[in-house]
Amino acid sequence: QVQLVQSGAEVRKPGSSVKVSCKASGYTFTSHTMHWVRQAPGQRPEWMGWINAGNDDTNYSQKFQDRVTITRDTSATTTYMELSSLRSEDTAVYYCAREQIANDAFDIWGQGTMVTVSS
Amino acid sequence: SYVLTQPPSVSVAPGKTARITCGGNNIGGKAVHWYQQKPGQAPVLVIYHDSDRPSGIPERFSGSNSGNTATLTISRAEAGDEADYYCQVWDSSSDHVVFGGGTQLAVL
Repeated sequence: QVQLVQSGAEVRKPGSSVKVSCKASGYTFTSHTMHWVRQAPGQRPEWMGWINAGNDDTNYSQKFQDRVTITRDTSATTTYMELSSLRSEDTAVYYCAREQIANDAFDIWGQGTMVTVSS
Repeated sequence: SYVLTQPPSVSVAPGKTARITCGGNNIGGKAVHWYQQKPGQAPVLVIYHDSDRPSGIPERFSGSNSGNTATLTISRAEAGDEADYYCQVWDSSSDHVVFGGGTQLAVL
């Protein structure tokens, strides 16, 4: 079945970086764009950016433009999101989400990865 | 940047109809998607492109979009429908995805 499986929870110190992975299976990896969305406790989802898994194009939210990098490995059908210069406000659950073909809805989500930033 | 406004909470009696709104400037000109999120779980797509239902989503979930308001309607509400609901659009002017603030649905 179609699924996205993310890497496990992370704890980082302020100023460091974190890299979260998202392994896709059950569909043609290069046919879909993958997005990354984060959600702080009690807050709305917050979009971070996307990568076109077919041609490697990326687009980042202006809020994270200077700190986020989204990459993909087609042989591993895996997408990665790296966030640098971490601060306590980056503590959140990070999700990868597949974009449907022909519209921009997110039809499949990963299970989420909790990232905690604490000294 | 584009802003989506939702009521923080909506209550509905079991078996009745709940309506959750999502307001935005000329939102009727955009494609609106709705997600259901239960505690500790990832969001689930329940309506896309204003009114289309993904496979596996009950017919009790429907959507509409016109003018400055999009609406998610849940008919014959059940206890299992209790969740947070978020609307989402693509803002072409900023090339960004935007989520609404979310509405907590209580069935009681």
